[in-house]
Amino acid sequence: SQQGEEDPQALSIQEGENATMNCSYKTSINNLQWYRQNSGRGLVHLILIRSNEREKHSGRLRVTLDTSKKSSSLLITASRAADTASYFCATAIPKSRRALTFGSGTRLQVQP
Amino acid sequence: SQTIHQWPATLVQPVGSPLSLECTVEGTSNPNLYWYRQAAGRGLQLLFYSVGIGQISSEVPQNLSASRPQDRQFILSSKKLLLSDSGFYLCVGSVRRGALPSSYNEQFFGPGTRLTVL
Repeated sequence: SQQGEEDPQALSIQEGENATMNCSYKTSINNLQWYRQNSGRGLVHLILIRSNEREKHSGRLRVTLDTSKKSSSLLITASRAADTASYFCATAIPKSRRALTFGSGTRLQVQP
Repeated sequence: SQTIHQWPATLVQPVGSPLSLECTVEGTSNPNLYWYRQAAGRGLQLLFYSVGIGQISSEVPQNLSASRPQDRQFILSSKKLLLSDSGFYLCVGSVRRGALPSSYNEQFFGPGTRLTVL
């Protein structure tokens, strides 16, 4: 099964609200990454959090990591219509030479 | 910085026809390279990875094959496409950055090819 699984699968909010997405994984990790994908296009790297970090910020993004629960969350504050996209967490696939495994993603719709 | 080129951006092919998708890398040497496929509304599934010229590992049994004839070239092929081969195909590269113990893997992504098999 997939290493990273996000929830919710879909999220619809109003502009200005915060959006929180969660990710769970199964094996030990060195780091966890969050990506964004617009309408089935290529992926954009958002943020990487290492296994020894608990929280990381980048602009309006806040990522937390709980290695004891094997989970991570991505918070987008003060959302904008341009944040509409699919968001994926990714972790390394063991023994696959730095390949990443992605969950099915959270589709975020920000209503203007 | 490293860049991945993929073409074409979109492709419509009949069932049973052959396929060749090419991915080329600029700005770095000896990257690990990966082919992922994304079915509609799903996440990315790793198909193949390569750690060097001529070295291919397959993650899932399938109708596709991959080759790496040059360090910066990665090709995804099929002799006869199936309807289930439809999807978004993404070429990804990876290099190691930094020094131990703080080194990490940096991934860089191509723009992808949307394949529709009819």
